[in-house]
Amino acid sequence: AQKITQTQPGMFVQEKEAVTLDCTYDTSDPSYGLFWYKQPSSGEMIFLIYQGSYDQQNATEGRYSLNFQKARKSANLVISASQLGDSAMYFCAMREAQISSGSARQLTFGSGTQLTVLP
Amino acid sequence: NAGVTQTPKFQVLKTGQSMTLQCAQDMNHNSMYWYRQDPGMGLRLIYYSASEGTTDKGEVPNGYNVSRLNKREFSLRLESAAPSQTSVYFCASSTSGGLRTQYFGPGTRLTVL
Repeated sequence: AQKITQTQPGMFVQEKEAVTLDCTYDTSDPSYGLFWYKQPSSGEMIFLIYQGSYDQQNATEGRYSLNFQKARKSANLVISASQLGDSAMYFCAMREAQISSGSARQLTFGSGTQLTVLP
Repeated sequence: NAGVTQTPKFQVLKTGQSMTLQCAQDMNHNSMYWYRQDPGMGLRLIYYSASEGTTDKGEVPNGYNVSRLNKREFSLRLESAAPSQTSVYFCASSTSGGLRTQYFGPGTRLTVL
């Protein structure tokens, strides 16, 4: 079964509007972390935001916020006031606390959402 | 302010050739990782090193070997390159323990003809 599911291969948003990128996850580990990374066309992986499974409040970092709904196992990324520079591929990822087969708490990635911001 | 560095940035190999991808981090992290990213997909773990002196297989280890040379450096070797290994390779590092983020290098774009 997929551990991280991103159901939107591509999204479009008008400049200055808000956009939500969906992410659902699957884990039986009570302790885990959820991450969003941005990958622009230049190829580097840029860390955006982190949410711990025990965090009471939704994480925020500037224009990025994470809408964490634990019961639904969703961790959607909200980008407010979109800018042209936000056009990129966005990846949701998870890191589980339990070490199974010596996994050293690797990141498991979704397949990504390509966001295009329109002028 | 280097973070995680990788060399080379680009490489073209012929089938059967060997090469080593180099990775170094200056953040005093214990854990290091090698991922590959294929078109339209997220990253998949090849090998990792939880701490200096230890290495373990990830999700897609076949055709690769690794060496954790010291705390800073973690190399990935392709002994006999195959076209299926055409991909972008990312090195990452993180502190051991906890669930905080991994920091990624800029990537190596490898093409095997």
